[in-house]
Amino acid sequence: NAGVTQTPKFQVLKTGQSMTLQCAQDMNHNSMYWYRQDPGMGLRLIYYSASEGTTDKGEVPNGYNVSRLNKREFSLRLESAAPSQTSVYFCASSVGGHGYTFGSGTRLTVV
Amino acid sequence: DQQVKQNSPSLSVQEGRISILNCDYTNSMFDYFLWYKKYPAEGPTFLISISSIKDKNEDGRFTVFLNKSAKHLSLHIVPSQPGDSAVYFCAAPPPETSGSRLTFGEGTQLTVNP
Repeated sequence: NAGVTQTPKFQVLKTGQSMTLQCAQDMNHNSMYWYRQDPGMGLRLIYYSASEGTTDKGEVPNGYNVSRLNKREFSLRLESAAPSQTSVYFCASSVGGHGYTFGSGTRLTVV
Repeated sequence: DQQVKQNSPSLSVQEGRISILNCDYTNSMFDYFLWYKKYPAEGPTFLISISSIKDKNEDGRFTVFLNKSAKHLSLHIVPSQPGDSAVYFCAAPPPETSGSRLTFGEGTQLTVNP
C-alpha cells in the first residue's frame, strides 16, 4: 500500500547540473501534481497533469519540465539547476481536489 | 495573487488548551476548503474539509468554521495534544480550474507544549 513514491529523498546539485525527480502512484488516480515548498510561501504548484497524456503549467513552472510517462508516473526535470530551485519538492496525485495524496518529498539543494 | 492566506507563521499552545488556526481567502467562488497537516520529513495529509454551503464541520477534536461574509475560516483543535505539533495548510480549489487543482496558504507551524 505504497500510495505516492518519490525518488530520491535527498539530492545536492551543482549550479547548471540537470536531474529528474521521479514520482509514481499506485492508486489509479488520473491527476498528478508537482509542488514546491519554501519557507513562508507554502506549497506552490509547478506543473500538473489532469490525465495521462496531458500536462499544464502551474504557478511557478520556469526552469522545469515534466513528463507524464503513463498513468502511474509523473517526472519533474531540472535542465540547468539554479540556487533558487533549492526547495522541498512534493509529488501528489488525486481524484479531484479532495483526494490529494502526497509523497514524502525530495529535499533538493543547489550549490 | 495569493488567493488563500495564512497570516500567522507560528502558534504555540499548552497541551489541553484550544488551538485556533486562521485562514483568509479572496475568492468568494471557492466551493470548498480543506486543511492539510504536515509533519517534518513527510508529505502533507488531509485533515478536514468544509463545503462553502456550510459554516461548521466537526471531526473529533477538529472543527472547521467558515465565515463567508468575512472570507475567513478557522481550524479549532480541542483539546490540543503534543502529537498535533505540525505545519497546517489551508487550501481551496480555484473555480477556474474546475476543482482539479488546489491552491495552498503559507502554512502555520503549531507547537503544542506538554
